[in-house]
Amino acid sequence: SQKIEQNSEALNIQEGKTATLTCNYTNYSPAYLQWYRQDPGRGPVFLLLIRENEKEKRKERLKVTFDTTLKQSLFHITASQPADSATYLCALDMDSSASKIIFGSGTRLSIRP
Amino acid sequence: GAVVSQHPSRVICKSGTSVKIECRSLDFQATTMFWYRQFPKQSLMLMATSNEGSKATYEQGVEKDKFLINHASLTLSTLTVTSAHPEDSSFYICSARPPTSTDTQYFGPGTRLTVL
Repeated sequence: SQKIEQNSEALNIQEGKTATLTCNYTNYSPAYLQWYRQDPGRGPVFLLLIRENEKEKRKERLKVTFDTTLKQSLFHITASQPADSATYLCALDMDSSASKIIFGSGTRLSIRP
Repeated sequence: GAVVSQHPSRVICKSGTSVKIECRSLDFQATTMFWYRQFPKQSLMLMATSNEGSKATYEQGVEKDKFLINHASLTLSTLTVTSAHPEDSSFYICSARPPTSTDTQYFGPGTRLTVL
């Protein structure tokens, strides 16, 4: 079955630095991969989608890479701010025809001032 | 982004009772909605796909007779947890997929269910 792992349960970095989160998957070749932000007690908020034929995508201070050979996606937040503190989830499509996605366990990011 | 609402945001009920959670798509008509469950410090687990006008499709291990899903209109799906038990206590989140997209879902704010 598909397996998706976010290697760090928690990540604590200094404000202003670049935060890099990792998402690895096995036993599947997704057509796309997504990143979401989730604050405590709230639903996930969509951030970025990257397709299998794309290497990199950017949105403001966010950058996502997708390496289908390594079966890995990296999520970067540059010039991090305390307001970026949240849990970040990666998700990949498990059935494109049914629009079903499977989530990783998430990385809890804390940005200290 | 599009808005998906859930009601109630929190509910506490006694063991053995049934609880209904509503999910509404406010900006678009959603032929497909999804229901997820999230336990503390864990990720979202897909429970079922709710299809307007037809039966829901449940993921393996999810009891369809316990988690009743009704997608009666293009903007409303409901999840009823029947005969709730303390182990059903969780954070339930719905999402809605716009009809013009196959890879986008908009998530609701979630409903915290506590079964005493």
